[in-house]
Amino acid sequence: DAKTTQPPSMDCAEGRAANLPCNHSTISGNEYVYWYRQIHSQGPQYIIHGLKNNETNEMASLIITEDRKSSTLILPHATLRDTAVYYCIVLYNNDMRFGAGTRLTVKP
Amino acid sequence: NAGVTQTPKFQVLKTGQSMTLQCAQDMNHEYMSWYRQDPGMGLRLIHYSVGAGITDQGEVPNGYNVSRSTTEDFPLRLLSAAPSQTSVYFCASSYFEGYNEQFFGPGTRLTVL
Repeated sequence: DAKTTQPPSMDCAEGRAANLPCNHSTISGNEYVYWYRQIHSQGPQYIIHGLKNNETNEMASLIITEDRKSSTLILPHATLRDTAVYYCIVLYNNDMRFGAGTRLTVKP
Repeated sequence: NAGVTQTPKFQVLKTGQSMTLQCAQDMNHEYMSWYRQDPGMGLRLIHYSVGAGITDQGEVPNGYNVSRSTTEDFPLRLLSAAPSQTSVYFCASSYFEGYNEQFFGPGTRLTVL
């Protein structure tokens, strides 16, 4: 019963921007949106999080719509090492509920 | 810093056996948690701890016990292993509950025959 919906898979050309969408239409006013990724079978890695405003760090940018019902994670210049499963998470009773995520494949 | 470490990396058990998965962190994090990940699925929270001496159940706690006697260690005990517990187990930690930039360990791959 993850509170988010993501496409199961996406492809991206190496060097291009990867835009990963996430729907969270039932998000509450004080709930943050978190993004993690899991490369191969490693433990998940934190990417970024946000509440209302757009956020940027050294890894990615997070764009949250004004109504907060959806967001997009942007990897500005995808590399082959960005191939991974990307999870969009909204906290549920302070639990991080990981859904199935989006499998991003970056192709040469 | 070693970060979050987990042992063993791989384990095979027979049904009914018990064992403890070890997790340790050297970042002085108050919050620690255990997740399981079944093939093709996301992670599900088993148990968590907000500090030494305090533990609570997550989404799928049945068949597992935890304790937190020190800040650094958070072992997960399988009381009587079942094939349904075949999974990859991840331990994670963060500074405190609600600070959700969690650091994950490399995982333990458990097979129950």
